[in-house]
Amino acid sequence: GIQVEQSPPDLILQEGANSTLRCNFSDSVNNLQWFHQNPWGQLINLFYIPSGTKQNGRLSATTVATERYSLLYISSSQTTDSGVYFCAVVPRRAGTALIFGKGTTLSVSS
Amino acid sequence: DSGVTQTPKHLITATGQRVTLRCSPRSGDLSVYWYQQSLDQGLQFLIHYYNGEERAKGNILERFSAQQFPDLHSELNLSSLELGDSALYFCASSGDAGGPIIEQFFGPGTRLTVL
Repeated sequence: GIQVEQSPPDLILQEGANSTLRCNFSDSVNNLQWFHQNPWGQLINLFYIPSGTKQNGRLSATTVATERYSLLYISSSQTTDSGVYFCAVVPRRAGTALIFGKGTTLSVSS
Repeated sequence: DSGVTQTPKHLITATGQRVTLRCSPRSGDLSVYWYQQSLDQGLQFLIHYYNGEERAKGNILERFSAQQFPDLHSELNLSSLELGDSALYFCASSGDAGGPIIEQFFGPGTRLTVL
């Protein structure tokens, strides 16, 4: 099946710093989503981005479908950005289920 | 708030017992998905229902079953519970035809602890 790899696995930042999270996937996809799981366990939709670039406040994302990767940019990080960031895809060859990567754990300190 | 609701938020039970988790999708969404998040397996797809019918099945154990009712809410039944079933169970919903290119929205999850 499709492989979804996220890097780095862990990231520690000072408040105000910028960061880039990467998601590589091994096959063509119909759907790609980025999520933030907060310390209370909630999965929050950040972006639905099977291709192209989107921005929402301090966050932006780019997916280059032909090269099978997506990037999530966080600028001017805040302590509330802490948590786990997941990339998830629906493979083009099979089904409707989201296949999740293992996530990047981000810790932002003040 | 995604618009997807799940009850209960927390559930503590004993091995061998049976529990039911409930999910109400966003208004108008016909698809409901169930996912399990455990420490060792990460986030895994269990099952997908579209307008009352099973559409896709993932790594769902035979001890687990689900259904989607005419009002579109869904229930996930877990029976003969084992310690390893302790996990966070998420429900997600999506609109339109439940096809592969539709964004999925997640509920707050039910945290199941099996003692």
